[in-house]
Amino acid sequence: KAGVTQTPRYLIKTRGQQVTLSCSPISGHRSVSWYQQTPGQGLQFLFEYFSETQRNKGNFPGRFSGRQFSNSRSEMNVSTLELGDSALYLCASSVLTGTQETQYFGPGTRLLVL
Amino acid sequence: AQSVAQPEDQVNVAEGNPLTVKCTYSVSGNPYLFWYVQYPNRGLQFLLKYITGDNLVKGSYGFEAEFNKSQTSFHLKKPSALVSDSALYFCAVRVVDRGSTLGRLYFGRGTQLTVWP
Repeated sequence: KAGVTQTPRYLIKTRGQQVTLSCSPISGHRSVSWYQQTPGQGLQFLFEYFSETQRNKGNFPGRFSGRQFSNSRSEMNVSTLELGDSALYLCASSVLTGTQETQYFGPGTRLLVL
Repeated sequence: AQSVAQPEDQVNVAEGNPLTVKCTYSVSGNPYLFWYVQYPNRGLQFLLKYITGDNLVKGSYGFEAEFNKSQTSFHLKKPSALVSDSALYFCAVRVVDRGSTLGRLYFGRGTQLTVWP
C-alpha cells in the first residue's frame, strides 16, 4: 500500500506570496492532519480534517487554512507568506479520527520563504 | 496544559550497546503515547504506541518502550543499537483537548541518537 504523498517536496517563495501544499493520504484513510516543523518551535499541530470537515485547529493565524476533498486528499494554503513560515510541513493520515489512531506521516514539503 | 519532554537533546551510544531515549509527559486524562523516528530530509516514521494494557510495548526495528504511569514516563529502548539507528527520535502524546472530542499530537523537542561503530 502506498504511503502518504506530499507535493511539491520543495518550494521557494517570496514574502507576501501565497502557497498551496497538497497531501494524498494512505488509501482508505479518512483523517488528515497537518504539522509545521521548525528548528525553533519543533513540531506544531496546524489542523485536522475528517470527512471534509475541519475537526481540530492549532494556534496558527488565519493565514493558514486548509481543506479536504471527498477523496480524502487535503490541501493547505498559506497566504501572505512571512519569513517565519519557512519550515517543513508534514501531513499525516489515519484511518479514523480519535486519540487512539496512529498517524502516518508523509515526507513533507520544505518551504523556503525569501 | 499538555506537554511532552525529552530531557536529552543528544544520546550517543556504541554499536551493540543498549540504548535508551527518555520521554516524560504531563497530561490531563489518559495518555496515548507514540514514538516516531525521523531520518534526514524525511518525514516521521511510526515506531510504536501505548494505548492500554501491557506496560512494555514492542515496535518496529527491534525497539520497545516502557510505560510507567507513576513516573509519567515512556522511555524508548533497544537492547543492541545499530549504526543505522542514528536518527532523530520524537515522543508524542495524544490527548483530548478541552471542548473537543478529538485530540492532537503533542511532540517533544526530539532527541538526536548517534550510534558510533
